[in-house]
Amino acid sequence: SQQGEEDPQALSIQEGENATMNCSYKTSINNLQWYRQNSGRGLVHLILIRSNEREKHSGRLRVTLDTSKKSSSLLITASRAADTASYFCATDEGGFKTIFGAGTRLFVKA
Amino acid sequence: GAGVSQTPSNKVTEKGKYVELRCDPISGHTALYWYRQSLGQGPEFLIYFQGTGAADDSGLPNDRFFAVRPEGSVSTLKIQRTERGDSAVYLCASSLSLAGANSYNEQFFGPGTRLTVL
Repeated sequence: SQQGEEDPQALSIQEGENATMNCSYKTSINNLQWYRQNSGRGLVHLILIRSNEREKHSGRLRVTLDTSKKSSSLLITASRAADTASYFCATDEGGFKTIFGAGTRLFVKA
Repeated sequence: GAGVSQTPSNKVTEKGKYVELRCDPISGHTALYWYRQSLGQGPEFLIYFQGTGAADDSGLPNDRFFAVRPEGSVSTLKIQRTERGDSAVYLCASSLSLAGANSYNEQFFGPGTRLTVL
């Protein structure tokens, strides 16, 4: 079973626009991560936010975490065609098992 | 340096056959993970190793699935009596170590093996 649930399931935007993806989870976590996957293959770790953090930035990425609502959001600013990929949130249960959501498929039109 | 590699990249087999999928982790990474990803879904945890031992195999769907890591490096995921429902991409990842319940060690993923059971 998967813990994280992303929405929207799919998102299509124009290059230069911002993309926001949301993730909800069910149980207490130590941290939450966001990953990107191109062409249905290898995942790349983007950013991690710990349970005691509320916001984190990395380049054009901004992640927020609301533990009271058990939700997180990933914002990609000034999107590029190369950002086209699937994005997954994932949570660690005590640093061992990593549980992924079903993902948001982002398509950025040039 | 070299990343996580997986072989084969594609495997087509017939229902009922036995398959082995191999994962070569990043050198020095003591933790190794296997995931299964079905079309349109996120990766599903199967098992992880710390060194040679399976620290958590709770994600293995049934006893047809087994994984080993005899020397604490390369790992093999073995599937017996394959079924059509086993068709998926099998992903392997490795990380430096699991230092504690509240620590995080970034997982580096391989490209996956696409298994098709006819």
